Amino acid sequence: EAGVTQFPSHSVIEKGQTVTLRCDPISGHDNLYWYRRVMGKEIKFLLHFVKESKQDESGMPNNRFLAERTGGTYSTLKVQPAELEDSGVYFCASSPQGAKRGGYTFGSGTRLTVV
Amino acid sequence: GDSVTQMEGPVTLSEEAFLTINCTYTATGYPSLFWYVQYPGEGLQLLLKATKADDKGSNKGFEATYRKETTSFHLEKGSVQVSDSAVYFCALSVSGGADGLTFGKGTHLIIQP
Repeated sequence: EAGVTQFPSHSVIEKGQTVTLRCDPISGHDNLYWYRRVMGKEIKFLLHFVKESKQDESGMPNNRFLAERTGGTYSTLKVQPAELEDSGVYFCASSPQGAKRGGYTFGSGTRLTVV
Repeated sequence: GDSVTQMEGPVTLSEEAFLTINCTYTATGYPSLFWYVQYPGEGLQLLLKATKADDKGSNKGFEATYRKETTSFHLEKGSVQVSDSAVYFCALSVSGGADGLTFGKGTHLIIQP
């Protein structure tokens, strides 16, 4: 079974540019999550999709961040325009419907550097 | 709100040493507790978990006991190996089903041969 795939693995962009991160969950997993770890800080929850619907987006930092999940399959997280404080590692995770707490599979993350 | 506090590293130990990584939490409800590990170049992996007070989670020689009275979930291993070098994250979840996790800052563990 393929795991959760994220790409790119690294991205370096200039302040003010746009970046789109992609996450391919495990096939058939209804739940998809985005998390972010800013350097030296906690991994923070950003949002949760159930299929194509946003179940909880309370962790999205501001309106420069836009997440979509077309057809309930892969998801994208767009940052537009990027700011220096957006630098960090963005993790995606997925789990099947009815998964027990903690039953997530995480991707290896996208390291975003805004310069 | 919910929060997790864990000792910050890096923690450097010699091979075969005893390991303890402290983790304490505050939660609005009755949480489940987790330890995740991130090996270099890989994603986060669930190492162990405990869902109620006094439960002990264990995996790969690591153990952690859910202590409600001290709101703690310390990670221990009796004899560490170089291959245990990684970043360890303590986390909790207070919602049912597949809701989000609250993480600590992570502890970078370095094991020297």
